[in-house]
This record gives sequence, structure tokens and C-alpha cells, in this order.
Amino acid sequence: EPEVTQTPSHQVTQMGQEVILRCVPISNHLYFYWYRQILGQKVEFLVSFYNNEISEKSEIFDDQFSVERPDGSNFTLKIRSTKLEDSAMYFCASSYDRDYEQYFGPGTRLTVT
Amino acid sequence: DQQVKQNSPSLSVQEGRISILNCDYTNSMFDYFLWYKKYPAEGPTFLISISSIKDKNEDGRFTVFLNKSAKHLSLHIVPSQPGDSAVYFCAASAPLGGATNKLIFGTGTLLAVQP
Repeated sequence: EPEVTQTPSHQVTQMGQEVILRCVPISNHLYFYWYRQILGQKVEFLVSFYNNEISEKSEIFDDQFSVERPDGSNFTLKIRSTKLEDSAMYFCASSYDRDYEQYFGPGTRLTVT
Repeated sequence: DQQVKQNSPSLSVQEGRISILNCDYTNSMFDYFLWYKKYPAEGPTFLISISSIKDKNEDGRFTVFLNKSAKHLSLHIVPSQPGDSAVYFCAASAPLGGATNKLIFGTGTLLAVQP
């Protein structure tokens, strides 16, 4: 069964460093998302991406964040200068259509020290 | 953001019995609802969904009921199995006005099915 994959599974970085989280969505999906879950809190929406551009972003998704689909398979989330409060699980998701269910990857645990 | 609420943080049921997980929402603009199951250190796994134009959707042991007037949905698992033990998230799909929707998640309910 097709699935969303994410790498790395765990990333440890120092405050102020740049990190890139990688995702390979399901191959025939057209809509891509990033969510995050801070420990003990809800899963929250960060950004959606469709037709090679950002469609929507939350207030969390400030200038330190960017997304890219550099080729036909990868979807990346970059945090330019990490802060302690960026420590969270980051989930990539994809869907075939806007109104279809979103399928999630296993997540990347980001730890900022 | 309390638009989707799961008021029961945990639920314990005996194997073979029914598990009922509840979810309330506040925004009448939500048009699609989903249930996800999550194990520790894994991503949410899609279980079942329901459109706002329906009041019931069934898939094997899983049934979701939607009561739009009460802004309430529930997930029924019959019969419950020990492998169902996980955190269950209710999510609502919120149109963003553009090409995409976003999911708004509840806080989750930890289901423990006792053998």
C-alpha cells in the first residue's frame, strides 16, 4: 500500500541552525501539507502546497519557514534559524484531492538544544 | 483553538465490547470529518471519514455518526480488539478559501482495550 515517508526520523540541532525535513508523498497525490505536534499539544496545521506553490499557511509559518517541491517526488520543510520552541514532531501529509482524506507520514522528531 | 474538542482523554473497554469515542465541534462551516488512529512515535493513520451531508458511514468494525444539529460526531468500534489500543483523533476539514483545506484536530482520546 502506498505511504508517505519522512526522513530523518529524528533530528537534533542547535538553536540558530538550519534544518531541512524531507518527505516523499504518495505518488499520485496532488496536495501536500506540513503539520506539527508539540509534546502534549494538538496536531496543528502549518502549511498547504498545491500546484507548485503555497496555498495556505498558518500564523506559525513565519519567515523562518519555507517549503519546496524540488522534483516530482520530494517535499521539504526548511527552518532557517531554529528556536527552542520549534522542538516538535513534524508530520508531512498528502491527499489526492482537496476534499479527500489526508495521509500522514511517520513524522520527524525535531529537537532543538 | 478549541474548534474541535474531545472531552474524554481516555477510555477503557473490554475486548469484544463496543468502544464509543466522542467529538464536538463549534464551526458549522466544517464540511468533512475524519478519525485518525495514532500509535506512539508514528504518524496519524486514517481510519474513516464522513461528509457533512451524511449522518452515518460504516467501514467494517468502524462506524462514524454525525449529528449536525448538535455539532457532535462519534466513532463506534465493534467489537473492540486489543490491537485497537491507541490514541484516536477526531479532525475536521476546514476550507481555507483557496485550493486546499486544513485539518483541525482534537486533543485525542487514549483507548485501552483490555483482553
